[in-house]
Amino acid sequence: AQSVTQLDSQVPVFEEAPVELRCNYSSSVSVYLFWYVQYPNQGLQLLLKYLSGSTLVKGINGFEAEFNKSQTSFHLRKPSVHISDTAEYFCAVSDRGGTASKLTFGTGTRLQVTL
Amino acid sequence: NAGVMQNPRHLVRRRGQEARLRCSPMKGHSHVYWYRQLPEEGLKFMVYLQKENIIDESGMPKERFSAEFPKEGPSILRIQQVVRGDSAAYFCASSPGASSFYEQYFGPGTRLTVT
Repeated sequence: AQSVTQLDSQVPVFEEAPVELRCNYSSSVSVYLFWYVQYPNQGLQLLLKYLSGSTLVKGINGFEAEFNKSQTSFHLRKPSVHISDTAEYFCAVSDRGGTASKLTFGTGTRLQVTL
Repeated sequence: NAGVMQNPRHLVRRRGQEARLRCSPMKGHSHVYWYRQLPEEGLKFMVYLQKENIIDESGMPKERFSAEFPKEGPSILRIQQVVRGDSAAYFCASSPGASSFYEQYFGPGTRLTVT
């Protein structure tokens, strides 16, 4: 079984400040890792994914995340946020291989960017 | 290239009625996933289907819920005799294949309100 923990339910930050959204996971097998963003009343959009290779992954809208296997973490970062980054962010994992491709999501972190 | 389509976007049902949620995957995608998002929670996997086959229904409630993905037409998530606790956003996602590393593309969701 897998689980994803997003420790911060809300993160307030001023515009142009850096931000880190934390994600830890637990799994008995190797996983792929994802970050999704959800704007109000919309579906989820993929920000970035870690499949293999370099542990630093760059995504859309200036976001990046670092996979840390020893700490089972996949924290999302952005060096300078914009008002338009205000949204809900979800970390997710899925099993490597086989057909078990369902995603297991964390409970989400609401990023609130203010002036 | 149209994305994943879901309809209706909003659905209101009285307790005891039936709810039918439709999902048309992206062109060329033959794998569909349904997720449920309860208020203030992350998305929870419900069911994974291919054309005419249910591959994984481990997240489906045992009673009142069913899903299908016929050879022709959209995937349908059916909830019989709805109760207040069924009120949630239901998201459909599609992918071109079964492997975990294929990105799942999400639709805008159907928001079900049970009165």
